[in-house]
Amino acid sequence: SQQGEEDPQALSIQEGENATMNCSYKTSINNLQWYRQNSGRGLVHLILIRSNEREKHSGRLRVTLDTSKKSSSLLITASRAADTASYFCATVPYNQGGKLIFGQGTELSVKP
Amino acid sequence: DVKVTQSSRYLVKRTGEKVFLECVQDMDHENMFWYRQDPGLGLRLIYFSYDVKMKEKGDIPEGYSVSREKKERFSLILESASTNQTSMYLCASTAPGLAGGLSYEQYFGPGTRLTVT
Repeated sequence: SQQGEEDPQALSIQEGENATMNCSYKTSINNLQWYRQNSGRGLVHLILIRSNEREKHSGRLRVTLDTSKKSSSLLITASRAADTASYFCATVPYNQGGKLIFGQGTELSVKP
Repeated sequence: DVKVTQSSRYLVKRTGEKVFLECVQDMDHENMFWYRQDPGLGLRLIYFSYDVKMKEKGDIPEGYSVSREKKERFSLILESASTNQTSMYLCASTAPGLAGGLSYEQYFGPGTRLTVT
């Protein structure tokens, strides 16, 4: 069953702008993770936020988590053409053996 | 540097063939996973393993089996390939979490794009 739903499905911005992607989920979670996938490649882990955390930063990435709304957002600041990729949120629900459940992803295009 | 490798980037097989997809990790991780990725459906978990000779069904195990004879190697087997198994297959591994769960970040291989004709 799908856990994470992402919004928007596709996003196109200019270099230097900020990109915001959202993820909603249905059940209680242990943590939530964001991954990036360049075209036709494997996924790369970006950042993990635990259920007791509200915000986390890593370089140009900022992730927020609102467990009351069951939602998360990923903000990429000062985007670059190299940020063009698909971005996936993945949740680790409680009581499901620690599996990662992925959303369908947001396709980000950053134009130079 | 962390590394997960998959035996082929591209594979073309005929309907009814037995197909083996191999995944090897060099991080001494206990936990390994097989996903398939299809447009509009995201990543779906086929099988996972948290130890040698152990396996657990994921969300879509039908038509697949797995083998984990050594810690570093996790194989996905399509017993009789069908056209609806045409997909991108991704392998991943992770160390167990602090509580022994599977909460840590997963490391992915580059993927195998399988076409069944």
